[in-house]
Amino acid sequence: NAGVMQNPRHLVRRRGQEARLRCSPMKGHSHVYWYRQLPEEGLKFMVYLQKENIIDESGMPKERFSAEFPKEGPSILRIQQVVRGDSAAYFCASSSTSGRINEQFFGPGTRLTVL
Amino acid sequence: AQSVSQHNHHVILSEAASLELGCNYSYGGTVNLFWYVQYPGQHLQLLLKYFSGDPLVKGIKGFEAEFIKSKFSFNLRKPSVQWSDTAEYFCAVNALDNQGGKLIFGQGTELSVKP
Repeated sequence: NAGVMQNPRHLVRRRGQEARLRCSPMKGHSHVYWYRQLPEEGLKFMVYLQKENIIDESGMPKERFSAEFPKEGPSILRIQQVVRGDSAAYFCASSSTSGRINEQFFGPGTRLTVL
Repeated sequence: AQSVSQHNHHVILSEAASLELGCNYSYGGTVNLFWYVQYPGQHLQLLLKYFSGDPLVKGIKGFEAEFIKSKFSFNLRKPSVQWSDTAEYFCAVNALDNQGGKLIFGQGTELSVKP
């Protein structure tokens, strides 16, 4: 059973470009979470999605960031017009439920570097 | 706002020493509690979790943690560390009245074990 997959593992962008990060959840999981880890900091929640729905985006920056989880295909975290402060590791996690018993499995992360 | 605090940013131990990493959270309601480990160059892996029941939880690789509700704490322990335990350790909390299951992470504790 393949784990959570993220690609690319490393992404380099110049300021002003767009970054697209992909996450394929574990088989059978329909809940996806995105977290960001800035240098020297812990992981910070960004957004929680189910298929075709954004459930909680309380951690998303108001501008330039968006996320989707279509009916078919991976979840996408999109960052428009990247700035140097967006350089971070972006982790995706998935779970089979959001209820009382909720265990999240993490992917390997995408390390975004903005030049 | 909910928060998680890990008291030690960097811990250095010799092999066979005992380990205790502190974790406190601020939230008055029902919580799920987790410890994750991130080995160098790898993704987050679940060490152990507490959902309910016995507050002393045993995880993988000889780790255990004790939930003390009155102290809002979930400290991680291991009686005798090994060089292979060198990693970063994250405490995380899921407050159960959240919409969905977003995790609030501590800032992490980097553990270095000297052979």
